[in-house]
Amino acid sequence: QSVLTQSPSASATPGQRVTISCSGGRSNIGSNTVNWYQQLPQTAPHLLIYGNNQRPSGVPDRFSGSKSGTSASLAISGLQSEDEAEYYCAAWDDSLNGVVFGGGTKLTVL
Amino acid sequence: QVQLQESGPGLVRPSETLSLSCTVSGGSVNSGTYYWSWIRKAPGKGLEWIGSIFTGGRTNYNPSLQSRVTISIDTSKNHFSLRLISVTAADTALFFCVRDSGGINVRFRARFDSWGPGTLVTVSS
Repeated sequence: QSVLTQSPSASATPGQRVTISCSGGRSNIGSNTVNWYQQLPQTAPHLLIYGNNQRPSGVPDRFSGSKSGTSASLAISGLQSEDEAEYYCAAWDDSLNGVVFGGGTKLTVL
Repeated sequence: QVQLQESGPGLVRPSETLSLSCTVSGGSVNSGTYYWSWIRKAPGKGLEWIGSIFTGGRTNYNPSLQSRVTISIDTSKNHFSLRLISVTAADTALFFCVRDSGGINVRFRARFDSWGPGTLVTVSS
């Protein structure tokens, strides 16, 4: 059972917009910034969004992040087949004094 | 651009100790800016943070693993290491060494911007 809660799966067709949510509590998302990771099959994860809504260089602006209270969301617009991957949220947890991850959301592009 | 590379045995016997090393190139583990971390992914499960170390030896560990894990840093060799004792089959996973560029302020931690390719460790007799 992960500290941050994500839906296990999501799906959409090419060109659509999809949103992946991440729910936490006051000690993690409520107090600290949220980061998002994309893990393509057979590869290491890579940073997609940091600081709730910042994109590292090289990440397309189709990807965006937001946070409200103790929840965060990752939005992907103009969905492409290569976006099919597992997506994870992560944040520092003040109570656990460590990093917590969501359980991951597997995105399928139909 | 910093690169990380894990190394260590791919097979560990139950009850024994798992030891991995991460060599950092293109950057220094002594930079005073980053936390150096270990993250794992067990088969069929999600990412799990194991722990992190800062220059000077300051560490944070996952509470669920704290009694069994040690992360150390060797600035002379520019690498950091993971030691996990008393392993069981549940410790079988793909292990990643990772750089956390969130800085000292915990509000910005978990910003893992550089990852090694990962190394598979199987615990089996």
